[in-house]
Amino acid sequence: EVQLVESGGGLVQPGGSLRLSCAASGFTFSSYWMSWVRQAPGKGLEWVANINQNGRERYYVDYLTGRFTISRDNAKNSLYLQVNSLRVDDTAVYYCARDSTVAGFFENWGQGTLVTVSS
Amino acid sequence: DIVMTQSPDSLAVSLGERATINCKSSQSILYSGDNKNYLAWYQQKPGQPPKLLIYWASIRESGVPDRFSGSGSGTDFTLTISSLQAEDVAVYYCQHYYSSKRFGQGTKVEIK
Repeated sequence: EVQLVESGGGLVQPGGSLRLSCAASGFTFSSYWMSWVRQAPGKGLEWVANINQNGRERYYVDYLTGRFTISRDNAKNSLYLQVNSLRVDDTAVYYCARDSTVAGFFENWGQGTLVTVSS
Repeated sequence: DIVMTQSPDSLAVSLGERATINCKSSQSILYSGDNKNYLAWYQQKPGQPPKLLIYWASIRESGVPDRFSGSGSGTDFTLTISSLQAEDVAVYYCQHYYSSKRFGQGTKVEIK
């Protein structure tokens, strides 16, 4: 069974940083593109970033490039999102998602980790 | 960037009746190279992550009940629930994966 378990969220002040993690199991992690998708409270879904199997290709939603960095460690079956210079409007549940092998839709999702940016 | 617009924002349907959700893309997401529409549909129930229902606009994910169907091509797409069940109460999202990825704003389905 595919499992994706996020961690690392919490309360952080504006301007602060966090490193989100996603532990993957139940599939060959190194064979899949992986993504982060976020959802602000009561709002819709927003794709944030994705990364290819070996970590050499990374893509971001335009306006987050520079503040967010996606990475992975295939030896640890783990996906990461480093989030810097956090703003109040970055408050959201951050989901880890496994991309399909054939295209950019999301076959599996974690339960998410909540990031709250507030003073 | 391709913008996805869903309609309506919410709808209330009686149990056993049909629910129809529309999704429109700001430009065609039909790729001529493979003649596929790069569109997926997801269901999100309260307090849960999204769940993939449909991809390539009309292919049902394994395990998804056949009362869910997707249709459309180019810029206009539809998710239909043929006979609404109580467990179908959720927010439904379309998503393009033609270039980058973007979701529609969501459609909330409730019981009338």
